[in-house]
Amino acid sequence: DIVMTQSPDSLAVSLGERATINCKSSQSVLFSSNNKNYLAWYQQKPGQPPKLLIYWASTRDSGVPDRFSGSGSGTDFTLTISSLQAEDVAVYYCQQYYSTPRTFGPGTTVDIK
Amino acid sequence: EVQLVESGGGLVKPGGSLRLSCAASGFTFSNASMSWVRQAPGKGLEWVGRIKSKLDGGTTDYAAPVKGRFTISGDDSKNTLYLQMNSLKTEDTAVYYCTTGRWYFDLWGRGTLVTVSS
Repeated sequence: DIVMTQSPDSLAVSLGERATINCKSSQSVLFSSNNKNYLAWYQQKPGQPPKLLIYWASTRDSGVPDRFSGSGSGTDFTLTISSLQAEDVAVYYCQQYYSTPRTFGPGTTVDIK
Repeated sequence: EVQLVESGGGLVKPGGSLRLSCAASGFTFSNASMSWVRQAPGKGLEWVGRIKSKLDGGTTDYAAPVKGRFTISGDDSKNTLYLQMNSLKTEDTAVYYCTTGRWYFDLWGRGTLVTVSS
């Protein structure tokens, strides 16, 4: 199974400042035949289901604000919130879909400083 | 409206059984790959298993902790996904989400709570 890790466990950022979350997979999730990274990011607010933010490591889902961006390749990935807004307070998860079982990172809690 | 609505959760004793349902609407259910993801209280997300679309063979895969105890099935005539859970353990206590997507999960239901306790 591919093990996903995230850092930090939590972070507090001032409104308008940048938040950066890291995700690492225990093996590469880059499929060489199509050069795609099989990695997604989700946002989960309290009492709500997860919401897809980013897929193929860097493609924003429809309606996701452009302050959210994803980057990285192979085993190391980053989710960046360029200018934190109050509504971005949530837990963020990365997930690999390169192989079964699908696995999620443990989550990173983002709060306002 | 595109949506997934789970039902069937509740309190069950260890060793008991429960069947969850997920009603899909707004998309072609028979062409969709569907998964169940659970979240224990205060914990992270855990993939439970999936049923591939008919186009991809309609086969099922399960996470190791539930393999042999849980069964995923779908009824295209009712646009409904099921999760049959047998031999339930206290560690199966969680909110169970239905979600769709062949690769990433782009649509989620609101979840249904399953509590396994004596």
